[in-house]
Amino acid sequence: GDSVTQMEGPVTLSEEAFLTINCTYTATGYPSLFWYVQYPGEGLQLLLKATKADDKGSNKGFEATYRKETTSFHLEKGSVQVSDSAVYFCAYPFYNQGGKLIFGQGTELSVKP
Amino acid sequence: EAGVTQFPSHSVIEKGQTVTLRCDPISGHDNLYWYRRVMGKEIKFLLHFVKESKQDESGMPNNRFLAERTGGTYSTLKVQPAELEDSGVYFCASSQAAPPYEQYFGPGTRLTVT
Repeated sequence: GDSVTQMEGPVTLSEEAFLTINCTYTATGYPSLFWYVQYPGEGLQLLLKATKADDKGSNKGFEATYRKETTSFHLEKGSVQVSDSAVYFCAYPFYNQGGKLIFGQGTELSVKP
Repeated sequence: EAGVTQFPSHSVIEKGQTVTLRCDPISGHDNLYWYRRVMGKEIKFLLHFVKESKQDESGMPNNRFLAERTGGTYSTLKVQPAELEDSGVYFCASSQAAPPYEQYFGPGTRLTVT
C-alpha cells in the first residue's frame, strides 16, 4: 500500500556536520514529494518540495532530489546549525483524494554546539 | 495574516471523559484537514472538510470521534468517551481551493488520556 519510510531517529550531530535523512516511498504513480519540519513548540512547515522525477527541492540550505528509480527523496544539508534542531517529516499528497498527506514517522534531529 | 490556530495546546483528561479540540483555519481556506501523531509514529490523516462538508473521513479511528465545521469556518474534533490510545498530538491544517494546495499547519494539540 501507499506509505513513506524514514530513517529512525533521534539523530544527534555536532554543529557544521553533514546531514542525511533517508526517505523512501511506496505509491501509485509519481506523486509530488515534500519535506516538512516541526521546530519545538511550532506547527509543521513545508521545508521543500519536488513535483517530478529528478527535480531538486531546496530551502534554507537543505536539499532533496526526487529519485524515481529508487523511489527516494533523501534530505541533505552540508553544514547543520543548532537552529536546525527539529523533527523532519517526509510526505506526499493524494491529489485525487482531496490532497490528504501521507507522512513518514518523522526523524528528530538534535544539533549540539 | 494569522496562521492556523488550535486550542487548547495541551489537554490532560481521564479515560471516559470528553474532550473537544478546536481549529481555526486561515481565513478563506476552504480545505481543512485533521491529522494525528501517536507516540512518535507517523502523522496519520483523520479527515478532510471542504467548506462545511466532510469530503473524506476515512481516517477517523471509530465512532468515538466526531468532527464538525460550523459554517465552513472553524472546526471542532470531539472525542467521547476518550480512551488511552487516543493520546497523541492532533494537528489541523488548511489550504486554499486552488493550486498549489499547500497545507498550512497549526501547532497541534497534545492530548493525554490517563
